[in-house]
Amino acid sequence: DTGVSQDPRHKITKRGQNVTFRCDPISEHNRLYWYRQTLGQGPEFLTYFQNEAQLEKSRLLSDRFSAERPKGSFSTLEIQRTEQGDSAMYLCASSLGISSYEQYFGPGTRLTVT
Amino acid sequence: AQKITQTQPGMFVQEKEAVTLDCTYDTSDQSYGLFWYKQPSSGEMIFLIYQGSYDEQNATEGRYSLNFQKARKSANLVISASQLGDSAMYFCAMREGPPGTYKYIFGTGTRLKVLA
Repeated sequence: DTGVSQDPRHKITKRGQNVTFRCDPISEHNRLYWYRQTLGQGPEFLTYFQNEAQLEKSRLLSDRFSAERPKGSFSTLEIQRTEQGDSAMYLCASSLGISSYEQYFGPGTRLTVT
Repeated sequence: AQKITQTQPGMFVQEKEAVTLDCTYDTSDQSYGLFWYKQPSSGEMIFLIYQGSYDEQNATEGRYSLNFQKARKSANLVISASQLGDSAMYFCAMREGPPGTYKYIFGTGTRLKVLA
């Protein structure tokens, strides 16, 4: 296991379609984060899991967004009825335990909504 | 109000010179953490250095050091002996609350260009 992986790396979709992204964290990491990054900005926190429990969800995450981590391993982020404003890089990160401060980021999924 | 402020959208530095990237933060928490990440053009965020609010000494990691001035609420990144591969976006981030807290806030970044 060499790091956090995300799939797909790029996604182009038409407005109104649903999309789903996957994140595989580093295997022993129990914490998983989703961020959104738009051009010229830093990552913005979207949601956080500890094991399979979703403990926090940003108000940036509208009802069209849902995230799961069913077995405490990989996570999925789904966007329903995509809008052009959803176009961004979606980053996943993981970390180990309470004492670890370092988040390991994946390469991101770049979403383009046309 | 911005929690993390990076006032330098872009910086240039000559190869082998040192460069300081500025970061100021705003929090009322006593326990917090400050981070710097590097984001090359490939897009992946790379952890560089961490400073805890209770750490009395400035953090260092190889060519990176964090100039932590708590009273001024600043956490500047110093890169010594710049290399061409240091050209990237650099983000300052803060974890509010004690270790284990999930909430991380990022600044808008500084684009560093190292000149040969």
